[in-house]
Amino acid sequence: GAVVSQHPSWVICKSGTSVKIECRSLDFQATTMFWYRQFPKQSLMLMATSNEGSKATYEQGVEKDKFLINHASLTLSTLTVTSAHPEDSSFYICSARLGLAIRWQYFGPGTRLTVL
Amino acid sequence: GNSVTQMEGPVTLSEEAFLTINCTYTATGYPSLFWYVQYPGEGLQLLLKATKADDKGSNKGFEATYRKETTSFHLEKGSVQVSDSAVYFCALSGLNRDDKIIFGKGTRLHILP
Repeated sequence: GAVVSQHPSWVICKSGTSVKIECRSLDFQATTMFWYRQFPKQSLMLMATSNEGSKATYEQGVEKDKFLINHASLTLSTLTVTSAHPEDSSFYICSARLGLAIRWQYFGPGTRLTVL
Repeated sequence: GNSVTQMEGPVTLSEEAFLTINCTYTATGYPSLFWYVQYPGEGLQLLLKATKADDKGSNKGFEATYRKETTSFHLEKGSVQVSDSAVYFCALSGLNRDDKIIFGKGTRLHILP
């Protein structure tokens, strides 16, 4: 099946620094990519949806200046957590949607961010 | 709006026991329904899906039937294994290209040897 990778798989940073997470669709071109945040023992919360070459659409309550999304190509999207704080510590998961008519999304393995 | 409700966990069973994880949904129209599994330390994997009423999705011994009359999509497995220990998410998605996947809160499953 389709593969979505994320890098890094985990990262620890100091408060106030910025962290970039990459999401790649390895064997297909994704029409749309999604970024989710998952708190411990909770479901996935959709943060934003991005299409290649256009601005991301953020969900209500998600700070777009805090979570910068760049969708550079059909196979790469990046999420930058700017000026990270301990409350940003979470599991971030990206997902890539294949094609137009097919509704299936493939999920990356996630990136665990810990902000000290 | 669309929503998914699934039974709260954790669910603890002995190996070879029968598993049911309940899931009900609220949606306009006829959404597609999914079960995702998340193994410890890993991302979500699609376990099975059903796209219309009375469809049965199946994979790895797991089954779920799309029941429109009861708006349910319960996950079942006849004989669970220790390796099935994971978090299971019920989810739905609309028919339009721009529709997003709506997830339930997840049910943690522990299988004891």
